[in-house]
Amino acid sequence: EVQLVESGGGLVQPGRSMKLSCAASGFTFSDYYMAWVRQAPKKGLEWVASISYEGSSTYYGDSVKGRFTISRDNAKSTLYLQMNSLRSEDTATYYCARHGYYSAYYFDYWGQGVMVTVSS
Amino acid sequence: DIQMTQSPTSLAASVGESVTITCLASEDIYGSLVWYQQKPGKSPQLLIYGATILEDGIPSRFSGSGSDTQYSLKINSLQPEDFASYYCQNGLSTPFTFGSGTKLEIK
Repeated sequence: EVQLVESGGGLVQPGRSMKLSCAASGFTFSDYYMAWVRQAPKKGLEWVASISYEGSSTYYGDSVKGRFTISRDNAKSTLYLQMNSLRSEDTATYYCARHGYYSAYYFDYWGQGVMVTVSS
Repeated sequence: DIQMTQSPTSLAASVGESVTITCLASEDIYGSLVWYQQKPGKSPQLLIYGATILEDGIPSRFSGSGSDTQYSLKINSLQPEDFASYYCQNGLSTPFTFGSGTKLEIK
């Protein structure tokens, strides 16, 4: 059974940093692109970042480019999101998701999500 | 960036009815359209990818159609568990933009 379990969220002050982790199991982690998708309270979904199989290629949404860094450790089957210079608008539930591709890039498995609140 | 315009924003229907949700892309996405369902307090669930391909385990009352810039999700014979929010997603290229969502409520 595919499982994605996020951790590392909580309350953080504006301008500070936070690192999220996502522990994957039930599949060969290194065979898949992975991604982070977020959802602000009572809002829609927003793609944040994606990373290739070995981590050599990364892709970011405009709202986080230059502030967030996605990375992975295939030996530990773990995905990371380093978030710097956090802003109030980064407040959201952050989901770790597995990428699939067949006629479209999609997210076929999602974690339960971790809440990040940016506030003084 | 490709913009995804989803309609309606909300929709009320009864159990047993059929409903259709539409998604308009700002440019041709060549069938690379994805649909998700999200229930309150839960993670999104993949329903359809490639505009028409049903994900394993998803009931056949869900179907997708469309091409170029115009896509739709149809749910036949609504069941109580179908009342949720639905999102479309550009699956062609980054940034992977989502529609703003459609909340399907019980009438």
